Amino acid sequence: GENVEQHPSTLSVQEGDSAVIKCTYSDSASNYFPWYKQELGKGPQLIIDIRSNVGEKKDQRIAVTLNKTAKHFSLHITETQPEDSAVYFCAALPTRGSNYKLTFGKGTLLTVNP
Amino acid sequence: DTGVSQDPRHKITKRGQNVTFRCDPISEHNRLYWYRQTLGQGPEFLTYFQNEAQLEKSRLLSDRFSAERPKGSFSTLEIQRTEQGDSAMYLCASSSWTGGVAAFGPGTRLTVT
Repeated sequence: GENVEQHPSTLSVQEGDSAVIKCTYSDSASNYFPWYKQELGKGPQLIIDIRSNVGEKKDQRIAVTLNKTAKHFSLHITETQPEDSAVYFCAALPTRGSNYKLTFGKGTLLTVNP
Repeated sequence: DTGVSQDPRHKITKRGQNVTFRCDPISEHNRLYWYRQTLGQGPEFLTYFQNEAQLEKSRLLSDRFSAERPKGSFSTLEIQRTEQGDSAMYLCASSSWTGGVAAFGPGTRLTVT
């Protein structure tokens, strides 16, 4: 089955700096890679996603890059703000077999210091 | 847009008791999922429904766990004879037939004492 590794597990940045979170996956059949933000006591909320036919996607201060050859994808947050503080999860979804089952990384606790 | 809702949000129970959680997905979504999340971990897949049919159950779902989606709308997850190891956040999610974005509910936090 799919295995998703996520790094770092914790990340502390100053307000206004950039933050980068990296994930690797094992199943070459995976073709959809969402990122979720989870605040304390809440469920994960989708913030951005990318499909395997695209190398990069951007939405305002958030961007995701994908390298299918190396099987890794990254989340980039620019001009960080205190409200960006949360746990971020990457995930992967395969195209065949269980093509409905998201496999998540273990999460990154991002702290943005004012 | 009502989103995915779950009830209750918190449940404290004693070991050995049965508990039942409810999930109401986004109305036009025919796919429904249950995930479990323990402290410091990402969500782990438990089970998946397409309409009322339960199409996959994870090995994480022991025979003490049962999930239903009787009319293809809301779903229930029951845990019988709860154990302390069942303490976790139980998340429900739903998506359209295209199987794309899964919208998660706020979760039910279960504490077994």
